[in-house]
Amino acid sequence: GDSVTQTEGQVALSEEDFLTIHCNYSASGYPALFWYVQYPGEGPQFLFRASRDKEKGSSRGFEATYDKGTTSFHLRKASVQESDSAVYYCALGDLGGSSGNKLIFGIGTLLSVKP
Amino acid sequence: NSKVIQTPRYLVKGQGQKAKMRCIPEKGHPVVFWYQQNKNNEFKFLINFQNQEVLQQIDMTEKRFSAECPSNSPCSLEIQSSEAGDSALYLCASSLPGYEQYFGPGTRLTVL
Repeated sequence: GDSVTQTEGQVALSEEDFLTIHCNYSASGYPALFWYVQYPGEGPQFLFRASRDKEKGSSRGFEATYDKGTTSFHLRKASVQESDSAVYYCALGDLGGSSGNKLIFGIGTLLSVKP
Repeated sequence: NSKVIQTPRYLVKGQGQKAKMRCIPEKGHPVVFWYQQNKNNEFKFLINFQNQEVLQQIDMTEKRFSAECPSNSPCSLEIQSSEAGDSALYLCASSLPGYEQYFGPGTRLTVL
């Protein structure tokens, strides 16, 4: 079945460091890809999505580019802040499917940013 | 900030008891999802609706779990006979058809 792999379980950075969280997917069709962020005690918040090859999604300084060739959607941010500390999830879904687009999530990456 | 409302935020039940949680989707969103997030942060899709109709549900949901989204009332997810393994964060999300999902804060269920 479809799946999402996030290779980093935890990332520890200092403020103003560059962030990369790797996300690779496996899907039989042509899924949409998403990034969500979850803060303690809250539900996941939608960051952005991309629906086609080479499309770039972005929000709040984070960005990722859909790469069908390498089946990847890596999250990047040029300069992290302490307030970015949270768990980040890559997810895939079938926006055009008849089953209502359930999301398949990666295991999540805990980002800790030191001031 | 999330516009999906979930109640209660915390729920404590004994094994074998019923557990019921509710969700009010974001206004104008006809598609509603329920997910279970365990202590390892793994998500499991349970069921989804479009308006009042079930679109898809997993086998587990068909046995001890029941859910509905009546018109003009909150959606609900009920576990008929809670088990320790059901302890988790239950997340409700809503969306427009074919668009991204917006999540509520969740109901944290603890089964003693």
